[in-house]
Amino acid sequence: GAVVSQHPSWVICKSGTSVKIECRSLDFQATTMFWYRQFPKQSLMLMATSNEGSKATYEQGVEKDKFLINHASLTLSTLTVTSAHPEDSSFYICSARGPYSNQPQHFGDGTRLSIL
Amino acid sequence: ELKVEQNPLFLSMQEGKNYTIYCNYSTTSDRLYWYRQDPGKSLESLFVLLSNGAVKQEGRLMASLDTKARLSTLHITAAVHDLSATYFCAVNNNDMRFGAGTRLTVKP
Repeated sequence: GAVVSQHPSWVICKSGTSVKIECRSLDFQATTMFWYRQFPKQSLMLMATSNEGSKATYEQGVEKDKFLINHASLTLSTLTVTSAHPEDSSFYICSARGPYSNQPQHFGDGTRLSIL
Repeated sequence: ELKVEQNPLFLSMQEGKNYTIYCNYSTTSDRLYWYRQDPGKSLESLFVLLSNGAVKQEGRLMASLDTKARLSTLHITAAVHDLSATYFCAVNNNDMRFGAGTRLTVKP
């Protein structure tokens, strides 16, 4: 089946640093990628949707300047958490899909971000 | 706005018992997903239900979809400890919206 690789799986860093998370589709062209955030014991919340070559569409309440998303190729999207603070600590999960909304989303393994 | 409501949120049951998890959604959709999530892990796809009346079974889990009622169920038969996890339903309407999740604990 389709594989989505997310890297790193776990990162711990100090407050104020920026952290980049990569999401790669290994065996299909990911026209659309999604970024989710999951706080402990809560559900997944969609942060943004990105289409290859276009600006990402952010959900209400998600700061564009805080969470920078780049989707420059059909196999790679990155999420950069800028000037991260402890409240940004969370489990971030990406998913990828082809160009049609009826195609399945394939999820990465997630990145656990801990900001000290 | 699409809303997905799942219940119960927490479920503790004994091994060997049966139970059903419910997932209601607010707008028309004919594509519903069930996922399993173990602690510290990402999502594992369990079922994709694509049409009204769809029923799928895998082991002790069976999922069904009623698009007219906007309801999906995940039925657990003769639960075993290995089924302990959090289960999410999700509805795809251009993007995926998740229910709150059901944290299932199966006790011996």
